[in-house]
Amino acid sequence: GQSLEQPSEVTAVEGAIVQINCTYQTSGFYGLSWYQQHDGGAPTFLSYNALDGLEETGRFSSFLSRSDSYGYLLLQELQMKDSASYFCAVSNQAGTALIFGKGTTLSVSS
Amino acid sequence: NAGVTQTPKFRVLKTGQSMTLLCAQDMNHEYMYWYRQDPGMGLRLIHYSVGEGTTAKGEVPDGYNVSRLKKQNFLLGLESAAPSQTSVYFCASSPGGGAAQETQYFGPGTRLLVL
Repeated sequence: GQSLEQPSEVTAVEGAIVQINCTYQTSGFYGLSWYQQHDGGAPTFLSYNALDGLEETGRFSSFLSRSDSYGYLLLQELQMKDSASYFCAVSNQAGTALIFGKGTTLSVSS
Repeated sequence: NAGVTQTPKFRVLKTGQSMTLLCAQDMNHEYMYWYRQDPGMGLRLIHYSVGEGTTAKGEVPDGYNVSRLKKQNFLLGLESAAPSQTSVYFCASSPGGGAAQETQYFGPGTRLLVL
């Protein structure tokens, strides 16, 4: 089966850098995805890593190490609006659905 | 484009009542999903569909049924609601399987309270 582990909460101040880690176990791996969800809202796609290394998109970057079954989401120059929950996700064995981690709640303070 | 829409936005049921949640997408996506979200539990997959006329069980399918009679619609049914089904329900869609289904588009959610 699939399982994912990520911290439940992270706190930081505006302008700082924060890293949200995700370790996974899966029997069929396509890649690691990250989603953001603001309180009361719908999850939205942030990034997807299929290969090892760092992918950068503006202030957000995502990293994957397939050999370590590990990835992280890096958020730079934090802003108050980055306060949200962040979920990592991997595909099920058949590649037909995503299994999500329990999410990390990021609180950014001024 | 409306993307993914869900009906209703909020509903209160009594134990034992039945209801159907409707999800519609206008992106011509092949795959559709139903999740439930409870505090501290993340998103858990209930059922999903890889195309019109197909359905498959997810992580927590008990107490729910689904149908995908049209490509753009995915219905989630509760035949006899229980308080344990109080949750926020999200529908999502994706263009296809494999790497393509890593990018899912979510609806705004349906908040269901079962008394």
